[in-house]
Amino acid sequence: DSGVTQTPKHLITATGQRVTLRCSPRSGDLSVYWYQQSLDQGLQFLIQYYNGEERAKGNILERFSAQQFPDLHSELNLSSLELGDSALYFCASTTGRRGNTDTQYFGPGTRLTVL
Amino acid sequence: AQSVAQPEDQVNVAEGNPLTVKCTYSVSGNPYLFWYVQYPNRGLQFLLKYITGDNLVKGSYGFEAEFNKSQTSFHLKKPSALVSDSALYFCAVTPHADTGFQKLVFGTGTRLLVSP
Repeated sequence: DSGVTQTPKHLITATGQRVTLRCSPRSGDLSVYWYQQSLDQGLQFLIQYYNGEERAKGNILERFSAQQFPDLHSELNLSSLELGDSALYFCASTTGRRGNTDTQYFGPGTRLTVL
Repeated sequence: AQSVAQPEDQVNVAEGNPLTVKCTYSVSGNPYLFWYVQYPNRGLQFLLKYITGDNLVKGSYGFEAEFNKSQTSFHLKKPSALVSDSALYFCAVTPHADTGFQKLVFGTGTRLLVSP
């Protein structure tokens, strides 16, 4: 158990809908990263937050957005869902205080299925 | 741009035999290198990382990896494989540059299958 929690574990929804994925980082970690894992794209970085502020963006679609709250949990919002958004969504957390030597600890993921 | 190559989609090994999962990387400057393992329907679990110092890094569950700068490789090894080691293994790299953002780039993964 990494100490990172994600809810829900599974999500089934229809095209055009909007969903919210939630992540709670490890105790003491300030930074949260979101990733998408799909069969054709592999593991892709989406976005990073540090202590409530957006720090970096990766291959995140405009239909997707995220935020990190004062208690440091983070939410990833996916809207106007398409079939191709079906994937595993992971969050990872780090202390945010060790730069690139930090270790990212991953949550168990949320499996999103868009029908 | 940084990249990671895991040339084998799958590695098959018999239980008790040594295993190697290959990884080569490309990055500007010196790299920080990581190995993660993913079991079915689970998140990625951290195994080990190379930051600096000794080229042989020891990690969790008896795994180790050897950093070879001249060959730009970071192969994962274990002296004696267990059936329970069967999983998907990911190599990842990030450059030394400290931007406050750890851009980990992952390889495509190698499936390890250990037969009894």
